[in-house]
Amino acid sequence: AQKVTQAQTEISVVEKEDVTLDCVYETRDTTYYLFWYKQPPSGELVFLIRRNSFDEQNEISGRYSWNFQKSTSSFNFTITASQVVDSAVYFCALSPTGGYQKVTFGTGTKLQVIP
Amino acid sequence: DTGVSQDPRHKITKRGQNVTFRCDPISEHNRLYWYRQTLGQGPEFLTYFQNEAQLEKSRLLSDRFSAERPKGSFSTLEIQRTEQGDSAMYLCASSLVQRRDEQFFGPGTRLTVL
Repeated sequence: AQKVTQAQTEISVVEKEDVTLDCVYETRDTTYYLFWYKQPPSGELVFLIRRNSFDEQNEISGRYSWNFQKSTSSFNFTITASQVVDSAVYFCALSPTGGYQKVTFGTGTKLQVIP
Repeated sequence: DTGVSQDPRHKITKRGQNVTFRCDPISEHNRLYWYRQTLGQGPEFLTYFQNEAQLEKSRLLSDRFSAERPKGSFSTLEIQRTEQGDSAMYLCASSLVQRRDEQFFGPGTRLTVL
């Protein structure tokens, strides 16, 4: 069984602050993918990143960075110098690499960036 | 084709009525997925198609739910005899078999059952 836990339900930060969204996962699969999606108020899920379980290198993309630690089953997401446009619900997700790759989502973290 | 589209975006219906939603995937994508998202929760997998074949259904998909993808392009999700518990956002996603790890989501259909 797969499970994704996002313990932070809501976070509020002031614009330009850094913020880290936590994600902890459980899986029995030896290989898997981890994802982050952004869901703005419009409702559409926007793909942000995919990480293969083989690749534990951290990744940076502009103001976004991701810290994957297999030893603690965590895949945390940091936004540097947050902006109002970052306000959204962020979902961490997990899927096996085989089969049809059913994606299991966490419950999401609502981020509010205050101007 | 700029992405996955869904129609309608919003649907309000009375309990007991039937509703049908449509999803148009990205044109070259051969895999299509349906998810349901209730308030405060992440999306939950309902079913998926590879081309026109429905290959997996979640136990969340009761007998009142049926999905089709008759020509391997667009898909429909029908809910019969709707119940208030069916109120949710229904999301469609599509992907290429070769890149099945990356699912592109549509804007969703928000269903409200009164």
